[in-house]
Amino acid sequence: AQSVTQPDIHITVSEGASLELRCNYSYGATPYLFWYVQSPGQGLQLLLKYFSGDTLVQGIKGFEAEFKRSQSSFNLRKPSVHWSDAAEYFCAVAPGGNYQLIWGAGTKLIIKP
Amino acid sequence: EPEVTQTPSHQVTQMGQEVILRCVPISNHLYFYWYRQILGQKVEFLVSFYNNEISEKSEIFDDQFSVERPDGSNFTLKIRSTKLEDSAMYFCASSMTGGGYTFGSGTRLTVV
Repeated sequence: AQSVTQPDIHITVSEGASLELRCNYSYGATPYLFWYVQSPGQGLQLLLKYFSGDTLVQGIKGFEAEFKRSQSSFNLRKPSVHWSDAAEYFCAVAPGGNYQLIWGAGTKLIIKP
Repeated sequence: EPEVTQTPSHQVTQMGQEVILRCVPISNHLYFYWYRQILGQKVEFLVSFYNNEISEKSEIFDDQFSVERPDGSNFTLKIRSTKLEDSAMYFCASSMTGGGYTFGSGTRLTVV
């Protein structure tokens, strides 16, 4: 069965420090890959997505993610976090376009001043 | 930027009552979805809808649930006879062909 693992429930980083959030998936082929962010009480905002092509994907708010087929990973990175980045981050996969998204459990990002 | 709009943002209902959650997808999108997120848990897929019929549904989406696109703009989720465990945030999403899902801000449903 398809699954998505986000091994870190919480991550705390200092403002200005770099960030990497991990995501691993289990699926037979290369799925469509997504990162969403959810601020408290808010909806799910798409940060970036990977369907095919260049394995380094640029998203909004200065985020990027790299697809590594050999590791079944799609880790999210940001070189320098801002206090406004404090939120919960979800990795999701879909077997193709317009199919259901399968979600990781989320990683809560805490920013230290 | 086009948005998916959900109403109401928060709904409180008595156990056993019926609720209808409303969504206005992005106008040129063809695929529509409902997901839910119970507090502290993963986001879960409920149902997808295309060409006026359900294209996929999860085990959660049992006879208690139904979806409808009553006109050209709205997409609704009806929950009959709500239970306490239906309390969750319900998200509507829409997409064009090929993926690229846009989510609404959600409706927080509280069953008391």
